[in-house]
Amino acid sequence: AQTVTQSQPEMSVQEAETVTLSCTYDTSESNYYLFWYKQPPSRQMILVIRQEAYKQQNATENRFSVNFQKAAKSFSLKISDSQLGDTAMYFCAFMKPREGSGGGADGLTFGKGTHLIIQP
Amino acid sequence: KAGVTQTPRYLIKTRGQQVTLSCSPISGHRSVSWYQQTPGQGLQFLFEYFSETQRNKGNFPGRFSGRQFSNSRSEMNVSTLELGDSALYLCASSWGLRTDTQYFGPGTRLTVL
Repeated sequence: AQTVTQSQPEMSVQEAETVTLSCTYDTSESNYYLFWYKQPPSRQMILVIRQEAYKQQNATENRFSVNFQKAAKSFSLKISDSQLGDTAMYFCAFMKPREGSGGGADGLTFGKGTHLIIQP
Repeated sequence: KAGVTQTPRYLIKTRGQQVTLSCSPISGHRSVSWYQQTPGQGLQFLFEYFSETQRNKGNFPGRFSGRQFSNSRSEMNVSTLELGDSALYLCASSWGLRTDTQYFGPGTRLTVL
């Protein structure tokens, strides 16, 4: 079974600063996918970024980028030029290819989350 | 394109009752997954449906069940409610199984009294 660990329960930074959220995972799989999801106070889970394990290049989406270290099983999220609207819970998630055979729990495995607060 | 929708958004039930939650996926998506979110246990996978068949299942008791219709809409049912079933239930849809990204709905907040 996979595990995902987010070691920072809460972080607080000033607007416009850069912040990095940490995530480590444990798996015996060689092919998998990693995600960062954001959950603002509205509770709507929003996809931030996706990384395929077979790709060496780190994924980026505008102000959001990841540092994917496969050997270290580390997947951190960097938010540049942070904005007040970035205030939310951030969840790191692991997914292996879903075979759909009915025999396994192949959904997303989430970390406990990091509560990020952007101060004005 | 409209996102994932879930109804109702809020529910209050009493112990022993049963409840049905509904999820409509993004148009064209054929896979629907359900997750339970609680402060203590975090986000946990319940099950996934694809082409009207349950394809994957998490570690939840048989009181939790679901189904998927031919139009890919899905329902989740919880029978004999317990206080511990109070949670945010999130539905997520994806185009297929394998490697497709899951997109989430706004959730249904269930309170069991």
